[in-house]
Amino acid sequence: GAVVSQHPSWVICKSGTSVKIECRSLDFQATTMFWYRQFPKQSLMLMATSNEGSKATYEQGVEKDKFLINHASLTLSTLTVTSAHPEDSSFYICSARDRGLRSSGANVLTFGAGSRLTVL
Amino acid sequence: SQQGEEDPQALSIQEGENATMNCSYKTSINNLQWYRQNSGRGLVHLILIRSNEREKHSGRLRVTLDTSKKSSSLLITASRAADTASYFCATDAPGGGADGLTFGKGTHLIIQP
Repeated sequence: GAVVSQHPSWVICKSGTSVKIECRSLDFQATTMFWYRQFPKQSLMLMATSNEGSKATYEQGVEKDKFLINHASLTLSTLTVTSAHPEDSSFYICSARDRGLRSSGANVLTFGAGSRLTVL
Repeated sequence: SQQGEEDPQALSIQEGENATMNCSYKTSINNLQWYRQNSGRGLVHLILIRSNEREKHSGRLRVTLDTSKKSSSLLITASRAADTASYFCATDAPGGGADGLTFGKGTHLIIQP
C-alpha cells in the first residue's frame, strides 16, 4: 500500500531557530500533500495544502511566513517552521492522496508518522 | 470545520470485550471513513463506507452508517490491548476541507489487559 515517510519524528530546538520537516511519498506520486497540526488529545487541524510546482494554499489563520511550505517534486513536500517559538511546539502531520486510489473515487489519505516539535 | 463528533470521547474496557464508538455529522456525505491513531503517531486508514452502504466489515471491525440519522458506528469485536488508540471518523462531503475530509474529535480507546 501507499506509504508516506515523515522526518524527523521528533525535534527539539531553541527559540528563534528554524526547523524543517520533510514528507515523502515512497511508492506513489502525490501532486498534493496536506499539513496538519495536532494538539494533545485534539483532532487534526488542517494548516495548508501543498501543491507540486505551485504555491501552497493556507487555511485561514495560518501564517504563511511562519510556516513555509515547498513542494519541489511529486514525492516531496517540506514544512519549515521559521523563527520558532514555544507556542509553535506541537505535533505536525502530513498526508497525501494516492492518485491511484483517487481515481477509484475514494478520497483516502495516507498519513506520515508525524513530527513532534518542541521549542525551548 | 470539524463536523464529525465522536462519542464517547474516551472509552476504557477489558480485553476481550467489544468496543463501540459513534460518530455524528451534519451534512450529506459521499462516504465516511474511520482512522486510527496510536499515541504519537500518524493516522492509519481503517475502513471506508459509502453513502449508499449500510454496513461494512473488515476483520474484527464492523462499521454501520445511517444516513437518515447522519451517524455511524465503529465496532471492534474481541478487543485486544493493541487496539488501544484514538479513533477518528472523517466525512468526505461536498464543501469539505481542502483535503476533502472533515475529521471528528476522536474517541480515545483504552483496552485494559
